[in-house]
Order: sequence, then structure tokens, then C-alpha cells
Amino acid sequence: QVQLMQSGAAVKKPGASVKVSCKASGYTFTNYYMHWVRQAPEQGLEWMGIINPRDGSTNYAQKFQGRVSMTRDTSTTTVYMELSSLRSEDTAMYFCARDPSRIVGALGIDPWGQGTLVTVSS
Amino acid sequence: EIVLTQSPGTLSLSPGERATLSCRASQSVHSGYLAWYQQKPGQAPRLLIYGASSRATGIPDRFSGSGSGTDFTLIISRLEPEDFAVYYCQQYGTFGQGTKVEIK
Repeated sequence: QVQLMQSGAAVKKPGASVKVSCKASGYTFTNYYMHWVRQAPEQGLEWMGIINPRDGSTNYAQKFQGRVSMTRDTSTTTVYMELSSLRSEDTAMYFCARDPSRIVGALGIDPWGQGTLVTVSS
Repeated sequence: EIVLTQSPGTLSLSPGERATLSCRASQSVHSGYLAWYQQKPGQAPRLLIYGASSRATGIPDRFSGSGSGTDFTLIISRLEPEDFAVYYCQQYGTFGQGTKVEIK
């Protein structure tokens, strides 16, 4: 079955960077896009961007342009999300989630990783 | 940029009752790209509906979606205890702010 396994929780200081990994298994990695979505404590879902594992192309939400980088390693079927210049407002649960369609958005987003809690605190 | 506005913010209902959740878009949305998710505390979101009206695999038929253009609806025909959660609509890079369905 399709599984997305994310890296463990991280605590970072303001101004630092964090890199979250998401290892995919159970399907052909390069055939499906991967989204990143975050959720601040007691808040709603916020889309950060998407990566095409086939060629590494990305599309970032305007809010995160210049501060986020999404990459992939096809040899380990892993996608990464790196967020820089962290501030307290970046404290959130970060999810990777697969787009199950070759046409992005046509079938929703499913499944989701378990989430990685990133805490930004001095 | 499309904005999705969900209403109500909170819905207080009893098990067995019908829940009607609304998602309104700031501009017309291709219905084929409107999805609904359920999220319980401490869990990742779970896909319920895609393409505005198609149930995802394993989703009970008490969940139904409808709508087109700018107005979309998620209906839970008879609330089960496990349905009390937060529900989000989504279209590509935009999520609604969520509707919490709580026990009355």
C-alpha cells in the first residue's frame, strides 16, 4: 500500500533552517506529484507547494517564495521540504501528501504522511 | 488567487442528525478539482470527496458532495459518533478555513 513516512520532530531557533523528509513507498515514485501542507497549532491547513518527483520541478505558494525549497531523491524515493529564516509563526505540523492523479488536483490529495512537528523557539 | 470560505464555523449537532457544510469560492472553480477532507485531533487529514461529488475509497455513503461554480456542499446524512471532526474543502493550493462538527 502507499505509505509516506516523515522524519521526526525538530526544534529550531529563530533564523535557522529546517529540512523535513518524506519517504514514499508502495507506488512508482516518479509518477505522482507530492504536496506539502502545514498546520499551525489550533489553526487550519495551509498549502506550501508541490514538487514533481519526475523532474524536480516545483510550484511554491507565494507566501513561501524565497524561503522554501522542495527537492527529491529518486534513488531513495524521498522528497524534502526545507524552510529557511524560521520564525515563531513557522511552528507547525508539516505534512507531505501525494497527489494520486497524473492531473494535479483531479483526485484530491491522498494519502498524507503522519506529519512532522517543527517548533521554532529561542 | 481563489479564496474558499466555509460556513458555518461550528456546527453543533447530535448523533443521527444531518450535517450540511458549505464551501463558497471567490471565483468559479472547476468542480472536478474540489475536494473535502476530514481531520480528527492529532491525525492527518483524510480525503473524503474529490471532484466535488466522488467518494474516496472506503468512505461511507452517508458522506455526499455536490455543487458547481462557486458553491459546494458536503452532507453527512446521519452523524455517527466518529464523524465529529473538522472538515476542510480544498481546490489545488487553497484550503477553506474549516468547519468543526461538534456534539451538541
